[in-house]
Amino acid sequence: AQKVTQAQTEISVVEKEDVTLDCVYETRDTTYYLFWYKQPPSGELVFLIRRNSFDEQNEISGRYSWNFQKSTSSFNFTITASQVVDSAVYFCALVDNRGGGSEKLVFGKGMKLTVNP
Amino acid sequence: KAGVTQTPRYLIKTRGQQVTLSCSPISGHRSVSWYQQTPGQGLQFLFEYFSETQRNKGNFPGRFSGRQFSNSRSEMNVSTLELGDSALYLCASSSGQGMGGYTFGSGTRLTVV
Repeated sequence: AQKVTQAQTEISVVEKEDVTLDCVYETRDTTYYLFWYKQPPSGELVFLIRRNSFDEQNEISGRYSWNFQKSTSSFNFTITASQVVDSAVYFCALVDNRGGGSEKLVFGKGMKLTVNP
Repeated sequence: KAGVTQTPRYLIKTRGQQVTLSCSPISGHRSVSWYQQTPGQGLQFLFEYFSETQRNKGNFPGRFSGRQFSNSRSEMNVSTLELGDSALYLCASSSGQGMGGYTFGSGTRLTVV
C-alpha cells in the first residue's frame, strides 16, 4: 500500500536557523510523484514542489531545497535561514494513480513548524 | 486566474442534520477531489469527480456523497451528521489529465455539535 511517513510531528526553531523536514514514502509503483505542501493557519494547502520518480536531482528554490533519494525512499525538505513566515504545517504527499485513471494524494501526518523571532 | 473557491468557509450543524459543501474549481479544470482533515486521521481522500463522473472513492461511509455539475463545480453532502464529522473539508482542482497540478481551496470548517 502507498504510505507516507513524516516522523517529526512538531519542530520549534529560532529565526535564521536551518531546519530539515523528513519524509519517507512507500510505494510499489515505479512511476510516482511526490509533493510538499504548506498549510498556514488559514487552512489552504499551498503547493511547494512536485518531483517525479525519474528525476533524482536535488532542487533549490530560494531558501527552500529538496533532497530526493530513491535508495532510501526519502524526500526531505530543508528551509535555510528560517523566517517567522515559514511557520506552518508541512505535508509530504505521494500520488496514488491506481484508481482507474483517477489520482489521489496520500498525505503524511504533517509536521508543524514554529519559527520564533 | 481565480483560485479554487469553497463555500461556506465555516459551518456549524447539529448531530443528525445534513450539510452540503460547494467547490468551484479553477476555470478549465475538470477534476475536483475532496479531502477531509481531522487532527486524529490527518488528510484523507474522500472522492474525485471528473467530467461529472465519480472516478475514485475513499474509504468513507455512504453518508458522504458528492456530485459534479457540467460547469465542473462540485458539491459534497454529508447526511446524518455525527460529531466525528467535524473537520476541515478541502477540495482540490486539477486538469485531471496527468500527475499532480492540484490547487487547493481554503476549505470549509464544519463543526458538528
